[in-house]
Amino acid sequence: DGGITQSPKYLFRKEGQNVTLSCEQNLNHDAMYWYRQDPGQGLRLIYYSQIVNDFQKGDIAEGYSVSREKKESFPLTVTSAQKNPTAFYLCASSIWGDTQYFGPGTRLTVL
Amino acid sequence: AQKITQTQPGMFVQEKEAVTLDCTYDTSDQSYGLFWYKQPSSGEMIFLIYQGSYDEQNATEGRYSLNFQKARKSANLVISASQLGDSAMYFCATGGGTSGSRLTFGEGTQLTVNP
Repeated sequence: DGGITQSPKYLFRKEGQNVTLSCEQNLNHDAMYWYRQDPGQGLRLIYYSQIVNDFQKGDIAEGYSVSREKKESFPLTVTSAQKNPTAFYLCASSIWGDTQYFGPGTRLTVL
Repeated sequence: AQKITQTQPGMFVQEKEAVTLDCTYDTSDQSYGLFWYKQPSSGEMIFLIYQGSYDEQNATEGRYSLNFQKARKSANLVISASQLGDSAMYFCATGGGTSGSRLTFGEGTQLTVNP
């Protein structure tokens, strides 16, 4: 079955640590995206990638980094520079210009 | 810049009745898309329906329809014959035009279906 997987489902981090969230898709989509969702709010775009080896900042990129070495994978690193990283993180993919489909999400908590 | 406004933080509906969730948008693009997603308590975002700005007919997908009024910049979601499983957060989003595939989301409406 085609789809998007995110791991882990829950992640706990100590302050000052970097942590990497995984996102993999087998839908053969060129474009991938990372969103952040805070309680009771909508999604905000962190980074997106139209093609392999290329990515662009979204609206709230500070304190985050990404890579896109393979079409199927778009990992997100939450760095220690991100002041308030506790949130729900959603990855999505699409054909560029078409509907985005989402993974199940990772809930990150900073202890 | 694009903006989505969902003015109903919470809505209640009786099972088997229809419900309308409001969405207004603001964009300077001539070509754009409007999307609705459902987010159950588990957290995943489920795509429901899409309307293109040049589509003359309102989009429909099963029990979901999109009431698109371009002049009013509104894209309301209508759910017919509500089911208990429809209880969830619903998000309106816009993208396309100069934003390409980037989506701008509203803050959502929490729908509760009562038996």
